[in-house]
Amino acid sequence: DAGITQSPRYKITETGRQVTLMCHQTWSHSYMFWYRQDLGHGLRLIYYSAAADITDKGEVPDGYVVSRSKTENFPLTLESATRSQTSVYFCASNLAGGPNEQFFGPGTRLTVL
Amino acid sequence: EDQVTQSPEALRLQEGESSSLNCSYTVSGLRGLFWYRQDPGKGPEFLFTLYSAGEEKEKERLKATLTKKESFLHITAPKPEDSATYLCAVQALNSGGYQKVTFGIGTKLQVIP
Repeated sequence: DAGITQSPRYKITETGRQVTLMCHQTWSHSYMFWYRQDLGHGLRLIYYSAAADITDKGEVPDGYVVSRSKTENFPLTLESATRSQTSVYFCASNLAGGPNEQFFGPGTRLTVL
Repeated sequence: EDQVTQSPEALRLQEGESSSLNCSYTVSGLRGLFWYRQDPGKGPEFLFTLYSAGEEKEKERLKATLTKKESFLHITAPKPEDSATYLCAVQALNSGGYQKVTFGIGTKLQVIP
């Protein structure tokens, strides 16, 4: 199916565990993004990637790791999950450069106990 | 620092009762202002991009306008299916290679039959 998908959609884990959230897009967009959405906050950028093998930090990168070996995939790893990382995570993508709209995935709701 | 403030936080309308949502922004130079719609449990869905003061865009019952300091999303004769959270976001001119987009917290709209 065309578009942007995320997996899993829901995840419950425990403090200290490693968790990887997956993101896949079929548009061959150059840019991909990871955001978290929490009550009382707008979407906040965690990491972004301008192309395969090019990643950079966003506004709230601490505790997260990303990689992008293929254009279509952009996994987000929480190396040692903490309760403060309980959130809804959205992956997004868009065309290179300019004020282009971003296309968002359906989100992953992560709970860290 | 770029800032986006949306008001009101929540709005309840009767079906057919027109109203407007406000998005006030502060950026060093505006590259683009975006409106998104977000339904519960889903990712944001792009609605409009506005680039310069005076610009207007329409889609069905929605009309977005832009001034140098704020944007309005006018909803004419809303229907229950327009119920959603509406997000405003801005991208600044000085972003360079970093496509930083600052999101507001959103306005939660409920349209009652």
